Amino acid sequence: GDSVTQMEGPVTLSEEAFLTINCTYTATGYPSLFWYVQYPGEGLQLLLKATKADDKGSNKGFEATYRKETTSFHLEKGSVQVSDSAVYFCALRPLSGGYQKVTFGIGTKLQVIP
Amino acid sequence: SAVISQKPSRDICQRGTSLTIQCQVDSQVTMMFWYRQQPGQSLTLIATANQGSEATYESGFVIDKFPISRPNLTFSTLTVSNMSPEDSSIYLCSVVTGVFSTDTQYFGPGTRLTVL
Repeated sequence: GDSVTQMEGPVTLSEEAFLTINCTYTATGYPSLFWYVQYPGEGLQLLLKATKADDKGSNKGFEATYRKETTSFHLEKGSVQVSDSAVYFCALRPLSGGYQKVTFGIGTKLQVIP
Repeated sequence: SAVISQKPSRDICQRGTSLTIQCQVDSQVTMMFWYRQQPGQSLTLIATANQGSEATYESGFVIDKFPISRPNLTFSTLTVSNMSPEDSSIYLCSVVTGVFSTDTQYFGPGTRLTVL
């Protein structure tokens, strides 16, 4: 079945450092790929998504590129801020599946220190 | 977009009791889901809450343990019945709005349940 593997946290970075959170997936065909962010005490929010190979999703300075050849969707940000401290979830939805088929990673906690 | 609220935000319950979690959405939505997030694990779909009919449960989840109501397009409840410590989790309500290619999944803030 489909699966999503993302790096375990917590990840601790200093403010203005470069961020990479790795995400790889296993799925047939071309799934849609997502990154969600969960701030403390809040629900998951869609951060960005990509629906086909080589697409780049971007939002709030975060980027992720859909790499079919490496089955990856790594999240990057050039300069993190304290306000980026949250848990980040990678997820996929199969091409032929509805939202009932979404598979989530375990989440990576990011802590940014001043 | 959709704004989702859940009640209660957290609770501590005794083994063998039941807890009902409420989910309220600020707009009418067709697709509504309930998820469980166990400590250190990813989100697992419990069921799809269908308005006017019985919920559709995923493998490993049954109606007797997790009865769900969906009386209208903005509200749903999930009951965790006859609880055991293994039911300690965060329970999340989720909806999907929009049409194909612009659809977006939204999540409530979750209900953190601890069973003693």
